[in-house]
Amino acid sequence: AAGVIQSPRHLIKEKRETATLKCYPIPRHDTVYWYQQGPGQDPQFLISFYEKMQSDKGSIPDRFSAQQFSDYHSELNMSSLELGDSALYFCASSAEPGQGIDEQFFGPGTRLTVL
Amino acid sequence: GEDVEQSLFLSVREGDSSVINCTYTDSSSTYLYWYKQEPGAGLQLLTYIFSNMDMKQDQRLTVLLNKKDKHLSLRIADTQTGDSAIYFCAEKNNAGNMLTFGGGTRLMVKP
Repeated sequence: AAGVIQSPRHLIKEKRETATLKCYPIPRHDTVYWYQQGPGQDPQFLISFYEKMQSDKGSIPDRFSAQQFSDYHSELNMSSLELGDSALYFCASSAEPGQGIDEQFFGPGTRLTVL
Repeated sequence: GEDVEQSLFLSVREGDSSVINCTYTDSSSTYLYWYKQEPGAGLQLLTYIFSNMDMKQDQRLTVLLNKKDKHLSLRIADTQTGDSAIYFCAEKNNAGNMLTFGGGTRLMVKP
């Protein structure tokens, strides 16, 4: 079965550079969530989109922005990178936000290292 | 705000039962979830429970929910070495569809 695809899987950037992370949800899933997991930390919700509109916003820094495109894939844009941005970034998708269990299927994550 | 807490570490012997505990503060939680994360991998949903239930069993997994005490537990029967991973509890409430995770419990299963 198709799963959530994230690219790249690994990314190394210097401080103050920019990075773009991509997420391709499971086919027919219209909702995408972004989470950040720092080293030894639990995943923290950043932002989500439903039908290409922002639906919920969490602890996403102003330096980050995200959007969902017409094909439902999403991109997380990160500017002025800081050392503290080094983390595993997960994307999850779901088909029925707010309905029942609303299972979120997680991608394998993008590991971002900022040097 | 929401707060979800777990103990950091649990070590058991293969074949024993494991019990991983989680406490949360948000009384408006609707669903509570258990996720498994293996090294370098994503999060895999193991099981979930709706807030008006107090128990759910799924093969080797048993979830107990004490809503009064805001306490959730995951029992793994006949724990195997392949169960070694980090287990996260997570909750969702009516404020949105995002998940709030606990800090994770690292389960180590010794042969």
